Amino acid sequence: GQQLNQNPQSMFIQEGEDVSMNCTSSSIFNTWLWYKQDPGEGPVLLIALYKAGELTSNGRLTAQFGITRKDSFLNISASIPSDVGIYFCAGQLTQGGKLIFGQGTELSVKP
Amino acid sequence: KAGVTQTPRYLIKTRGQQVTLSCSPISGHRSVSWYQQTPGQGLQFLFEYFSETQRNKGNFPGRFSGRQFSNSRSEMNVSTLELGDSALYLCASSLRGNSYEQYFGPGTRLTVT
Repeated sequence: GQQLNQNPQSMFIQEGEDVSMNCTSSSIFNTWLWYKQDPGEGPVLLIALYKAGELTSNGRLTAQFGITRKDSFLNISASIPSDVGIYFCAGQLTQGGKLIFGQGTELSVKP
Repeated sequence: KAGVTQTPRYLIKTRGQQVTLSCSPISGHRSVSWYQQTPGQGLQFLFEYFSETQRNKGNFPGRFSGRQFSNSRSEMNVSTLELGDSALYLCASSLRGNSYEQYFGPGTRLTVT
C-alpha cells in the first residue's frame, strides 16, 4: 500500500536546540497533518496543511506543505523538555480518502 | 467541549474470544475513524464511519467490524481474537467526512493472551 517515509526515526537533542523532521512519499498528497503522541495517550493534532507551499505555525512549531505535494516538514524551535514524544505525519491522497501515517519520529530532549 | 472518549481504557481477553470497543466523538462531529497502533506496524487505518455509513475501509480481515449509531457514537468489534490483535485501538472524530482534522481519543489497550 501507500507509504510515508518519515525521518529521522529518533532524535536526541539538547534543550534549546531547533528540531527538523520530514515526511516524503512517491505519491502526491492532498492534505498533510502533523500529530504528537505522548505515552499512553492518543495523538494530538498540531498542524493541518491543505495547499502546496503552505507554511503554518503553531507557537514554536512550523510546518510546510511541500511544493511537489510529495513531502512535508515540521520544525520545532527552541525545544523544551515537554516537547518529548513521538511526532507523526499523516497524509490524505484524495479528498475524503483515508489518512496514511508515517512511522513516527521519537524526540528526546535533554535538559 | 469534551474530547473523544473511549471505553474501556484497558482490556485483557483470551484467544478466540470476541471484544467490543466503544467511542464517543466530540459533540457535533459526525465522522469516526478507527486505527490499530502496534510498535511494529505503526498506525493502521481500520475503517471510517460517517452518518452511520462506512465510507472507507482498511486492509484488515473480516473479523474486524464496526458500526455507528444515530448519535455518532461508534463501536468496533473483533471476533475470534488472535495474539496478534494485541494493540492500542484509537478512535478519531472529525466534523465532516471530508475534513481530515481528526481528533483522537486516548485509546483502548487490548491485550490478548
